[in-house]
Amino acid sequence: GAVVSQHPSRVICKSGTSVKIECRSLDFQATTMFWYRQFPKQSLMLMATSNEGSKATYEQGVEKDKFLINHASLTLSTLTVTSAHPEDSSFYICSASKGETQYFGPGTRLLVL
Amino acid sequence: AQKVTQAQTEISVVEKEDVTLDCVYETRDTTYYLFWYKQPPSGELVFLIRRNSFDEQNEISGRYSWNFQKSTSSFNFTITASQVVDSAVYFCALSEEEGGSEKLVFGKGTKLTVNP
Repeated sequence: GAVVSQHPSRVICKSGTSVKIECRSLDFQATTMFWYRQFPKQSLMLMATSNEGSKATYEQGVEKDKFLINHASLTLSTLTVTSAHPEDSSFYICSASKGETQYFGPGTRLLVL
Repeated sequence: AQKVTQAQTEISVVEKEDVTLDCVYETRDTTYYLFWYKQPPSGELVFLIRRNSFDEQNEISGRYSWNFQKSTSSFNFTITASQVVDSAVYFCALSEEEGGSEKLVFGKGTKLTVNP
């Protein structure tokens, strides 16, 4: 199998606080993980590629200081939304690569008040 | 640039009908992979199939079948005898290798509603 978990599944926070989202590959090791953002009724937008042991590669227009990514081990990548604002409210989904296939986590719904 | 087009935004069928979801792609790569994912209302993306560019054989898995045609750059997905549980958003995706990592380019998705 290829199971990916995310924690938390949903989070509500106040504007200005930071939120950390964890992505874990449970039954395989993943040197590469990806972070996506999805707005309601829209497709997935790739934010960054997370490589174990090196700096993440961010897509154009994604603020690296705003969305901090750490891929500390072969089974864990974290996304920290720093100083969150209401416009950061969204559905964040991670994926982990196993061979040529990306397996996705269940997503995290972030609501910033 | 790679691109995936899912022209059908929404489809509504009655249970037991067959339904085909269209996917057309553009790429300059000779080696690439095509995928279909299902996203039910819960939000998780469920992997359905991966097809590499050198394998044009059609595939069948239960009520699901896929028709890959390089000549028309299409990778269509058919659900036979649809069921209410098939209601979801379905995404077609194309992988591109950039900087050593396989990125996915997604279509905009097709929302399928199967009515009882």
